[in-house]
Amino acid sequence: QVQLVESGGGVGQPGSSLRLSCAPSGFSFENYAMHWVRQAPGKGLEWVAVISYDGSNEHYADSLKDRFTISRDNSKKTLFLQMDRLRLEDTAVYYCARDPGHRVPLPATAYNWFDPWGQGTLVTVSS
Amino acid sequence: QSVLTQLPSVSGAPGQRVTISCTGTRSNIGGGYDVHWYQQFPGTGPRLVIFGNNNRPSGVPDRFSGSKSGTSASLAITGLQAEDEADYYCQSYDSSLSAWVFGGGTELVVL
Repeated sequence: QVQLVESGGGVGQPGSSLRLSCAPSGFSFENYAMHWVRQAPGKGLEWVAVISYDGSNEHYADSLKDRFTISRDNSKKTLFLQMDRLRLEDTAVYYCARDPGHRVPLPATAYNWFDPWGQGTLVTVSS
Repeated sequence: QSVLTQLPSVSGAPGQRVTISCTGTRSNIGGGYDVHWYQQFPGTGPRLVIFGNNNRPSGVPDRFSGSKSGTSASLAITGLQAEDEADYYCQSYDSSLSAWVFGGGTELVVL
């Protein structure tokens, strides 16, 4: 059963840092690009970042690329999202999600979807 | 303000057919990028129900179907059931933004 489980959420003050993790199971993690998507309370979905299957390429939403860093450790089968200089507007549930393509380079993933998704981890930025 | 436009809410009675629309521009849906649809229940992660405009993943009932034309796409649900009550999001890619983009979501209410 293909599954993704996020962790690392919590409460942080503005300006602080948090690192989220995503643990996959049921598939060969090292063969798939991975995304982070977030959802502010009561709001819609917002794409955050993507990393290629081998970790050699990353791409970010323009508004976040200076503060967020996506990475992966294929040997430990874990996806990460480092969030620095947190702002109030970063408060959201953060989901990790898999690209469906097997060893697909990032440009080609533009046509793809997200499946599956994790259950999400809540990040609250508050003073 | 979402890049793809969806109506906030639609409703239908059990057994009826409803459609959920998603409108984009020439830099996303109209630019040849596929549209995908997700179902989300409160407190859970989204679930893929349509990929590649009109394809259903295994396990999704054939009551769900998708279509795309020009700069718009639609999700249709026939034989509406109470369990279909959820939020639905469309998704595509935008070449101007170089980003994956979503609609604002449509709440489906089963009367």
